[in-house]
Amino acid sequence: GAVVSQHPSWVICKSGTSVKIECRSLDFQATTMFWYRQFPKQSLMLMATSNEGSKATYEQGVEKDKFLINHASLTLSTLTVTSAHPEDSSFYICSARSGGPVEQFFGPGTRLTVL
Amino acid sequence: GENVEQHPSTLSVQEGDSAVIKCTYSDSASNYFPWYKQELGKRPQLIIDIRSNVGEKKDQRIAVTLNKTAKHFSLHITETQPEDSAVYFCAASKGNQFYFGTGTSLTVIP
Repeated sequence: GAVVSQHPSWVICKSGTSVKIECRSLDFQATTMFWYRQFPKQSLMLMATSNEGSKATYEQGVEKDKFLINHASLTLSTLTVTSAHPEDSSFYICSARSGGPVEQFFGPGTRLTVL
Repeated sequence: GENVEQHPSTLSVQEGDSAVIKCTYSDSASNYFPWYKQELGKRPQLIIDIRSNVGEKKDQRIAVTLNKTAKHFSLHITETQPEDSAVYFCAASKGNQFYFGTGTSLTVIP
């Protein structure tokens, strides 16, 4: 299947700093990318959906000014956690789909720890 | 929005037995229902999916059934093996929207 990468895989930062996570589709053009958050032993919570070249659509309760999403090209989306706090510590997973099949392909995830 | 419920949250079976995980959804417009397997610290992997115009789909030891009227769908794993142990998530989707169930931690006891 299609390959989606994420970088970094693990990041530790101090409270108040901003962290950028990249999501790339390596062998297909991703017209839509999704960002999820997953707490330990819990389900994936959809944070936002982004289409290339347009503003992301955020789920209810997700602060768009805190979680900045940019989908600048058909192969790259970024999530920036601004002014991170310990409660933002989580596993962040992106996924991507092309304009054709419904299936979405997941990245390997980024574990964020905010001290 | 869509609300997906999944049961049970944990499931233990003996190797060789069958495992069944059930999900319900609330939005009748949802038309795509994938199932994912996620091992600890890894990405979810699609194992089987079904569309709303199909009632059942099978792939070797894994099958999924869908009841559109009742708005529920189920995952069936037969002849379970220890390597089937993982967390399984169902999802309901329409268009670009995917909503996941709460997950089922399956343990297959050798």
